[in-house]
Amino acid sequence: KNQVEQSPQSLIILEGKNCTLQCNYTVSPFSNLRWYKQDTGRGPVSLTIMTFSENTKSNGRYTATLDADTKQSSLHITASQLSDSASYICVVSLNSGGYQKVTFGTGTKLQVIP
Amino acid sequence: DVKVTQSSRYLVKRTGEKVFLECVQDMDHENMFWYRQDPGLGLRLIYFSYDVKMKEKGDIPEGYSVSREKKERFSLILESASTNQTSMYLCASSPRTSSYEQYFGPGTRLTVT
Repeated sequence: KNQVEQSPQSLIILEGKNCTLQCNYTVSPFSNLRWYKQDTGRGPVSLTIMTFSENTKSNGRYTATLDADTKQSSLHITASQLSDSASYICVVSLNSGGYQKVTFGTGTKLQVIP
Repeated sequence: DVKVTQSSRYLVKRTGEKVFLECVQDMDHENMFWYRQDPGLGLRLIYFSYDVKMKEKGDIPEGYSVSREKKERFSLILESASTNQTSMYLCASSPRTSSYEQYFGPGTRLTVT
């Protein structure tokens, strides 16, 4: 069964600190992996996308890594800000015939406190 | 700028009512999706459509139906709302490309009493 597991479920950090969120997946055949940010009461917004051949991708203070061999990804947030408080969702796509099927993780809820 | 809009942010309905959730995208995307999001379960796909008048069941289609008469509009219908359909409903669209980013609407929080 295709699954995406994220850890931790929730995290509280002080403003200015760094943190790393984890994503493990069993999706196959793998196509790409995205990290989404979802603010409370809003829809998710894409942060990064990585294909099989990419092992790191940055978007400002967000850096995602991918190890396709171990089927693990991480999202590192540098110098956190209060606005980083949100849920972060790992989404893995697989090729399924003529379209891509996506599997969502349950997310990590990050709270950045002053 | 990419935009997906949903007809309501909050909705309260009674058990047994017929409920329509509307979604409109202005990006000329081929694919459109309806998800529900519940705490601890993440996003689960209800239905998706890859073309006008085409629809495919997702992982949890029971109790729902959809309609796509125009490319930009995708409707989710709860024929007879039940309390276990209380949830956040998210619509998304995507182009038919290999990068396959989905663009999400703001969501509709539906409460069935």
